[in-house]
Amino acid sequence: NAGVMQNPRHLVRRRGQEARLRCSPMKGHSHVYWYRQLPEEGLKFMVYLQKENIIDESGMPKERFSAEFPKEGPSILRIQQVVRGDSAAYFCASSHGQVGIYEQYFGPGTRLTVT
Amino acid sequence: EDQVTQSPEALRLQEGESSSLNCSYTVSGLRGLFWYRQDPGKGPEFLFTLYSAGEEKEKERLKATLTKKESFLHITAPKPEDSATYLCAVRTSAGGGTSYGKLTFGQGTILTVHP
Repeated sequence: NAGVMQNPRHLVRRRGQEARLRCSPMKGHSHVYWYRQLPEEGLKFMVYLQKENIIDESGMPKERFSAEFPKEGPSILRIQQVVRGDSAAYFCASSHGQVGIYEQYFGPGTRLTVT
Repeated sequence: EDQVTQSPEALRLQEGESSSLNCSYTVSGLRGLFWYRQDPGKGPEFLFTLYSAGEEKEKERLKATLTKKESFLHITAPKPEDSATYLCAVRTSAGGGTSYGKLTFGQGTILTVHP
């Protein structure tokens, strides 16, 4: 199954530590999106990346959060100095990148718990 | 600001009892409406994409339709395995050009089908 892969599936961090979430897009996809799902809330867009470029980061908190999608390797969402409010499910999605094909396919998510 | 509202928040059906889920949207230029299914603890699973008013898509017991202001997900003779949260999302341009844009999600409808 060449679906979107995310790891780790579960991550526990203490307040002040760093969290690194990884996402490998579906085979043949060159666009990656990160979304956050807080408890009792809907999915919220965070950032949209293509290889080596951030296209739209309008949903990213201004501080402590960063994302990258290097030429080689998975996309990384990095959260520095985590706080309890960062506890959520983080989903990565990928799309083909070809004009006319806009479906986004989601990974299983990383559930971050900050203690 | 783009807005997506889903109703009802929760729907309980008996097996075989057909019904519809609603997704109304307010956007500046729709560039695609997407339906996803999400099971507890999993990532959203892509179901349908609709692009223009009057368009319809079908898959097994599900049928999605689109008007200029809303979309419906019709469920015919549902089974217990159709129980899930159904999410509606609209595609928003990330700034023109060839960028493919983020998705703005509704809060979802939790569907429970009893045997």
